[in-house]
Amino acid sequence: AQTVTQSQPEMSVQEAETVTLSCTYDTSESDYYLFWYKQPPSRQMILVIRQEAYKQQNATENRFSVNFQKAAKSFSLKISDSQLGDAAMYFCAYRSAFSGGGADGLTFGKGTHLIIQP
Amino acid sequence: DAGITQSPRHKVTETGTPVTLRCHQTENHRYMYWYRQDPGHGLRLIHYSYGVKDTDKGEVSDGYSVSRSKTEDFLLTLESATSSQTSVYFCAISAGQGDTQYFGPGTRLTVL
Repeated sequence: AQTVTQSQPEMSVQEAETVTLSCTYDTSESDYYLFWYKQPPSRQMILVIRQEAYKQQNATENRFSVNFQKAAKSFSLKISDSQLGDAAMYFCAYRSAFSGGGADGLTFGKGTHLIIQP
Repeated sequence: DAGITQSPRHKVTETGTPVTLRCHQTENHRYMYWYRQDPGHGLRLIHYSYGVKDTDKGEVSDGYSVSRSKTEDFLLTLESATSSQTSVYFCAISAGQGDTQYFGPGTRLTVL
Protein backbone atom coordinates (compact mmCIF):
# COMPACT_ATOMS: atom_id res chain seq x y z
CA ALA A 1 0.00 0.00 0.00
CA GLN A 2 1.10 3.52 -0.69
CA THR A 3 1.83 5.96 2.11
CA VAL A 4 2.10 9.73 2.11
CA THR A 5 4.07 11.60 4.75
CA GLN A 6 3.89 15.27 5.59
CA SER A 7 6.56 15.86 8.19
CA GLN A 8 5.59 19.42 9.11
CA PRO A 9 2.42 19.52 11.24
CA GLU A 10 2.54 23.32 11.24
CA MET A 11 4.36 26.05 9.33
CA SER A 12 4.34 29.80 9.77
CA VAL A 13 5.32 32.46 7.22
CA GLN A 14 5.19 36.21 6.98
CA GLU A 15 2.77 37.71 4.50
CA ALA A 16 4.42 38.24 1.08
CA GLU A 17 7.18 35.74 1.85
CA THR A 18 7.72 32.32 0.28
CA VAL A 19 7.07 29.03 2.06
CA THR A 20 7.66 25.42 1.08
CA LEU A 21 5.59 22.52 2.36
CA SER A 22 7.13 19.06 2.28
CA CYS A 23 5.61 15.77 1.15
CA THR A 24 7.17 12.38 0.60
CA TYR A 25 5.48 9.21 -0.52
CA ASP A 26 6.23 5.54 -0.74
CA THR A 27 5.18 3.49 -3.76
CA SER A 28 6.44 0.70 -5.96
CA GLU A 29 4.46 1.98 -8.92
CA SER A 30 5.97 3.92 -11.80
CA ASP A 31 2.84 5.73 -12.93
CA TYR A 32 0.69 7.78 -10.59
CA TYR A 33 -0.70 11.22 -9.84
CA LEU A 34 0.10 13.62 -7.03
CA PHE A 35 -2.03 16.44 -5.68
CA TRP A 36 -2.02 19.25 -3.19
CA TYR A 37 -5.37 20.18 -1.66
CA LYS A 38 -6.12 23.17 0.54
CA GLN A 39 -8.67 23.05 3.36
CA PRO A 40 -9.53 26.46 4.84
CA PRO A 41 -11.59 26.81 8.04
CA SER A 42 -14.74 26.45 5.90
CA ARG A 43 -13.73 22.78 5.63
CA GLN A 44 -14.07 22.74 1.84
CA MET A 45 -11.36 20.70 0.09
CA ILE A 46 -9.93 22.78 -2.77
CA LEU A 47 -7.54 21.50 -5.40
CA VAL A 48 -4.34 23.55 -5.50
CA ILE A 49 -2.20 21.68 -8.00
CA ARG A 50 -1.86 18.36 -9.79
CA GLN A 51 1.18 16.51 -11.12
CA GLU A 52 1.36 13.47 -13.38
CA ALA A 53 4.34 11.27 -12.55
CA TYR A 54 5.25 10.71 -16.20
CA LYS A 55 5.69 14.46 -16.72
CA GLN A 56 9.14 15.72 -15.81
CA GLN A 57 8.09 19.35 -15.83
CA ASN A 58 6.98 20.68 -12.48
CA ALA A 59 3.39 21.88 -12.35
CA THR A 60 2.63 25.53 -11.58
CA GLU A 61 -0.58 27.42 -10.86
CA ASN A 62 -0.04 31.15 -10.41
CA ARG A 63 1.76 31.58 -7.05
CA PHE A 64 1.81 27.83 -6.40
CA SER A 65 4.45 25.51 -7.80
CA VAL A 66 5.78 22.08 -6.99
CA ASN A 67 9.20 20.50 -6.87
CA PHE A 68 8.61 16.93 -8.02
CA GLN A 69 11.57 14.63 -7.47
CA LYS A 70 10.44 11.20 -8.69
CA ALA A 71 13.57 9.28 -7.74
CA ALA A 72 13.49 10.73 -4.24
CA LYS A 73 9.69 10.30 -4.05
CA SER A 74 9.34 13.89 -2.96
CA PHE A 75 6.60 16.36 -3.90
CA SER A 76 6.95 19.74 -2.17
CA LEU A 77 4.65 22.74 -2.61
CA LYS A 78 6.05 26.25 -2.85
CA ILE A 79 3.78 29.21 -2.21
CA SER A 80 5.21 32.52 -3.35
CA ASP A 81 4.07 35.95 -2.16
CA SER A 82 2.03 34.41 0.67
CA GLN A 83 -1.35 36.00 1.29
CA LEU A 84 -3.64 35.93 4.31
CA GLY A 85 -6.10 33.87 2.29
CA ASP A 86 -3.52 31.10 1.95
CA ALA A 87 -3.92 30.23 5.63
CA ALA A 88 -5.33 26.69 5.71
CA MET A 89 -4.53 23.03 6.13
CA TYR A 90 -2.67 21.66 3.13
CA PHE A 91 -2.90 18.00 2.21
CA CYS A 92 -0.66 16.08 -0.11
CA ALA A 93 -2.36 13.16 -1.88
CA TYR A 94 -1.36 10.23 -4.07
CA ARG A 95 -3.40 8.34 -6.61
CA SER A 96 -2.37 5.22 -8.46
CA ALA A 97 -2.65 5.19 -12.24
CA PHE A 98 -4.12 1.71 -11.93
CA SER A 99 -7.70 0.85 -11.04
CA GLY A 100 -9.47 -1.55 -8.75
CA GLY A 101 -8.87 -2.68 -5.20
CA GLY A 102 -9.30 0.80 -3.80
CA ALA A 103 -6.60 2.16 -6.09
CA ASP A 104 -9.02 4.65 -7.53
CA GLY A 105 -9.13 6.54 -4.29
CA LEU A 106 -6.68 9.12 -3.00
CA THR A 107 -4.17 8.39 -0.25
CA PHE A 108 -3.69 11.50 1.88
CA GLY A 109 -0.99 12.73 4.18
CA LYS A 110 -1.99 14.01 7.60
CA GLY A 111 -1.71 17.64 6.56
CA THR A 112 0.29 20.77 7.31
CA HIS A 113 -1.35 23.71 9.04
CA LEU A 114 -0.10 26.89 7.36
CA ILE A 115 -0.24 30.12 9.34
CA ILE A 116 0.24 33.46 7.61
CA GLN A 117 1.63 36.22 9.85
CA PRO A 118 0.46 39.72 8.81
CA ASP B 1 -17.11 24.79 -8.54
CA ALA B 2 -18.17 21.23 -9.24
CA GLY B 3 -21.86 20.65 -8.56
CA ILE B 4 -21.69 18.43 -5.51
CA THR B 5 -24.03 18.60 -2.56
CA GLN B 6 -24.14 16.52 0.59
CA SER B 7 -27.05 16.02 2.94
CA PRO B 8 -27.45 16.42 5.77
CA ARG B 9 -24.61 18.84 6.54
CA HIS B 10 -24.77 18.10 10.24
CA LYS B 11 -26.26 15.18 12.11
CA VAL B 12 -26.28 14.02 15.70
CA THR B 13 -27.47 10.50 16.36
CA GLU B 14 -27.31 7.81 19.01
CA THR B 15 -25.31 4.63 19.09
CA GLY B 16 -27.08 1.74 17.37
CA THR B 17 -29.26 3.81 15.06
CA PRO B 18 -29.02 3.59 11.26
CA VAL B 19 -27.74 6.63 9.39
CA THR B 20 -27.71 7.41 5.67
CA LEU B 21 -25.68 10.21 4.12
CA ARG B 22 -26.41 11.37 0.60
CA CYS B 23 -24.11 12.74 -2.06
CA HIS B 24 -25.65 14.32 -5.13
CA GLN B 25 -23.80 15.54 -8.23
CA THR B 26 -24.91 17.46 -11.28
CA GLU B 27 -21.73 16.86 -13.31
CA ASN B 28 -22.65 13.42 -14.69
CA HIS B 29 -19.28 12.09 -13.52
CA ARG B 30 -18.75 8.35 -13.52
CA TYR B 31 -16.72 8.04 -10.31
CA MET B 32 -17.94 8.88 -6.82
CA TYR B 33 -16.17 8.42 -3.49
CA TRP B 34 -16.79 8.57 0.24
CA TYR B 35 -14.01 9.61 2.61
CA ARG B 36 -13.89 10.26 6.32
CA GLN B 37 -11.68 12.85 7.99
CA ASP B 38 -10.47 12.44 11.54
CA PRO B 39 -7.90 14.46 13.49
CA GLY B 40 -4.41 13.11 12.90
CA HIS B 41 -5.47 10.90 9.99
CA GLY B 42 -6.12 13.15 7.02
CA LEU B 43 -8.83 11.76 4.74
CA ARG B 44 -9.33 8.03 4.29
CA LEU B 45 -11.31 6.26 1.60
CA ILE B 46 -14.39 4.33 2.76
CA HIS B 47 -16.02 3.15 -0.49
CA TYR B 48 -16.16 4.29 -4.05
CA SER B 49 -18.26 3.74 -7.16
CA TYR B 50 -17.11 3.46 -10.75
CA GLY B 51 -20.59 3.35 -12.26
CA VAL B 52 -24.23 2.72 -11.46
CA LYS B 53 -24.44 -0.32 -9.16
CA ASP B 54 -20.64 -0.75 -9.35
CA THR B 55 -18.89 -0.19 -6.03
CA ASP B 56 -15.72 -1.25 -4.28
CA LYS B 57 -14.25 -1.03 -0.80
CA GLY B 58 -11.65 1.39 0.40
CA GLU B 59 -9.25 1.45 3.31
CA VAL B 60 -11.81 1.83 6.12
CA SER B 61 -14.97 0.14 4.85
CA ASP B 62 -15.93 -1.90 7.93
CA GLY B 63 -19.30 -0.82 9.32
CA TYR B 64 -20.29 1.04 6.15
CA SER B 65 -22.27 0.14 3.06
CA VAL B 66 -22.98 2.11 -0.10
CA SER B 67 -25.44 2.15 -2.94
CA ARG B 68 -25.61 3.87 -6.29
CA SER B 69 -28.85 3.35 -8.18
CA LYS B 70 -28.37 6.32 -10.51
CA THR B 71 -25.44 8.34 -11.76
CA GLU B 72 -26.09 11.43 -9.68
CA ASP B 73 -26.58 9.87 -6.23
CA PHE B 74 -24.21 7.92 -3.99
CA LEU B 75 -25.48 6.89 -0.57
CA LEU B 76 -23.39 5.95 2.46
CA THR B 77 -25.14 3.93 5.17
CA LEU B 78 -24.08 3.19 8.70
CA GLU B 79 -26.30 0.22 9.59
CA SER B 80 -25.74 0.63 13.33
CA ALA B 81 -23.78 3.74 14.19
CA THR B 82 -20.99 3.60 16.75
CA SER B 83 -19.09 6.38 18.51
CA SER B 84 -15.99 5.52 16.47
CA GLN B 85 -17.88 6.64 13.38
CA THR B 86 -18.08 10.20 14.66
CA SER B 87 -16.27 12.05 11.90
CA VAL B 88 -16.55 14.45 9.01
CA TYR B 89 -17.61 12.68 5.83
CA PHE B 90 -16.68 13.94 2.39
CA CYS B 91 -18.03 12.91 -0.96
CA ALA B 92 -15.90 13.37 -4.06
CA ILE B 93 -16.42 12.92 -7.80
CA SER B 94 -14.22 12.50 -10.83
CA ALA B 95 -14.95 12.18 -14.52
CA GLY B 96 -12.51 9.38 -15.19
CA GLN B 97 -10.08 7.06 -13.53
CA GLY B 98 -7.10 9.38 -13.52
CA ASP B 99 -8.99 12.63 -13.33
CA THR B 100 -8.91 15.07 -10.47
CA GLN B 101 -11.33 14.42 -7.63
CA TYR B 102 -13.54 17.30 -6.57
CA PHE B 103 -15.03 17.35 -3.11
CA GLY B 104 -18.38 18.19 -1.62
CA PRO B 105 -18.79 20.45 1.43
CA GLY B 106 -18.71 17.60 3.96
CA THR B 107 -21.11 16.24 6.58
CA ARG B 108 -20.29 16.40 10.27
CA LEU B 109 -21.68 13.30 12.00
CA THR B 110 -21.71 12.91 15.76
CA VAL B 111 -22.65 9.57 17.30
CA LEU B 112 -23.45 9.82 21.01
